[in-house]
Amino acid sequence: EAQVTQNPRYLITVTGKKLTVTCSQNMNHEYMSWYRQDPGLGLRQIYYSMNVEVTDKGDVPEGYKVSRKEKRNFPLILESPSPNQTSLYFCASTPPGHRDTQYFGPGTRLTVL
Amino acid sequence: AQTVTQSQPEMSVQEAETVTLSCTYDTSESDYYLFWYKQPPSRQMILVIRQEAYKQQNATENRFSVNFQKAAKSFSLKISDSQLGDAAMYFCAYSPTPNSGNTPLVFGKGTRLSVIA
Repeated sequence: EAQVTQNPRYLITVTGKKLTVTCSQNMNHEYMSWYRQDPGLGLRQIYYSMNVEVTDKGDVPEGYKVSRKEKRNFPLILESPSPNQTSLYFCASTPPGHRDTQYFGPGTRLTVL
Repeated sequence: AQTVTQSQPEMSVQEAETVTLSCTYDTSESDYYLFWYKQPPSRQMILVIRQEAYKQQNATENRFSVNFQKAAKSFSLKISDSQLGDAAMYFCAYSPTPNSGNTPLVFGKGTRLSVIA
C-alpha cells in the first residue's frame, strides 16, 4: 500500500531539547515537503527536497533543518525547539510526472513547553 | 506571491442539503492547479477534488463539484446531499505547474463545515 508515514504522531517536549520527526514514503517519490499547520493560518511549507541531497527552504524555514540522504526518508530536525514551534506538522510527497498530486502523512502534533 | 482566501471561517448545512464553500486566489500565472482538501477530526489531509486551470470543464467527484471561474479567480466547492461524514475543515489550495523547481501548495485558512442531522 502506497503511504507516507510519520513518527512520532504526538510529542511533548521542552524548550531547547533537540528532536527529530521522521518521514518515510514507499512510493519512490523524488519530491518531498514539510508543512506546519497553525490555527487561522492554514498550512505553510517549511522545507522541500527535489531529490536525494537536494533540499531548500520553503516559506517558514527558521528553526528547522532537514536532510535527504535516501530517497524514501526526509526527517525534520528541530535543533533547539521553542514554544512557537508548537504546531501540527505534515510531511508530503509527490510522484514524478504528477507533481500536482501530494500525498500527505498522518501528521505529528508537537508541543514545546 | 500567490495567495488563497477562504472568506467563510465556518459554515453549516442540514443533512441531505447542498452547501457551497467559497475560495478566491491570486496569481499571475496562466497555468496552475487548484485543490480542495478535507481534514476530519483525525487530522488526515484528504484530497477531495482537483482542477487544472487550463481545463474549462469543472471537476466533479461524486457529490463534490467545483465552480471554477478563471477570470474571476474563484474556485468554490459544492457538496450535494450532505452527509454527517462531510463534517470537517476544508482547505482550498493552489499549486504552480510542476514544470520544475518547487511546487508548494499554498493553502487558504480553511472553512469549518458542520453538518446538522
